Amino acid sequence: DVKVTQSSRYLVKRTGEKVFLECVQDMDHENMFWYRQDPGLGLRLIYFSYDVKMKEKGDIPEGYSVSREKKERFSLILESASTNQTSMYLCASSFLGRRSTDTQYFGPGTRLTVL
Amino acid sequence: GEDVEQSLFLSVREGDSSVINCTYTDSSSTYLYWYKQEPGAGLQLLTYIFSNMDMKQDQRLTVLLNKKDKHLSLRIADTQTGDSAIYFCAERGSGTYKYIFGTGTRLKVLA
Repeated sequence: DVKVTQSSRYLVKRTGEKVFLECVQDMDHENMFWYRQDPGLGLRLIYFSYDVKMKEKGDIPEGYSVSREKKERFSLILESASTNQTSMYLCASSFLGRRSTDTQYFGPGTRLTVL
Repeated sequence: GEDVEQSLFLSVREGDSSVINCTYTDSSSTYLYWYKQEPGAGLQLLTYIFSNMDMKQDQRLTVLLNKKDKHLSLRIADTQTGDSAIYFCAERGSGTYKYIFGTGTRLKVLA
């Protein structure tokens, strides 16, 4: 079974702190994604990576950066956390997407509260 | 731009059928997915359908696709309390990494 793990289920941080969210997948997937989930807004893509050291901005990258130094690990960084970044953060991974059956597998999520 | 819409809430009685609806705007969508999210958990893939199909059945789940109206539905037969969750519709074009998710429909099953 595909396993996507996230470093924390719950995090509480203060405004202005630097926050690291870590995601690890064990299926040798090329693609990795970070989303945030907010009530009534569904999932919004923050950043996407299709290879080591490669990244692309999603729909809402402002205030976030990412790092992918190894294929299995994708980190989301909040350089200076703000209260409007309080949300559920979901990591996902998938193969490249050329095959019809390539789909995303999700981690359990990290619920981040910024005070 | 691309958009996927769902109603936010649905309430059904245990044993009844549930029908969750989704509309999308991207006519180049090739793959359409249904995901389930239980409380406190990530999204779990339930089923998917290709744009060249009209229907797909998988045990209690039936997916219907109306390409002309860009309408997708998920029917859950004999709904159980364990089916209470948020259900997300998502679409993806061929050869693209980008998934467009709907807002999610919160299904509540009443005993």
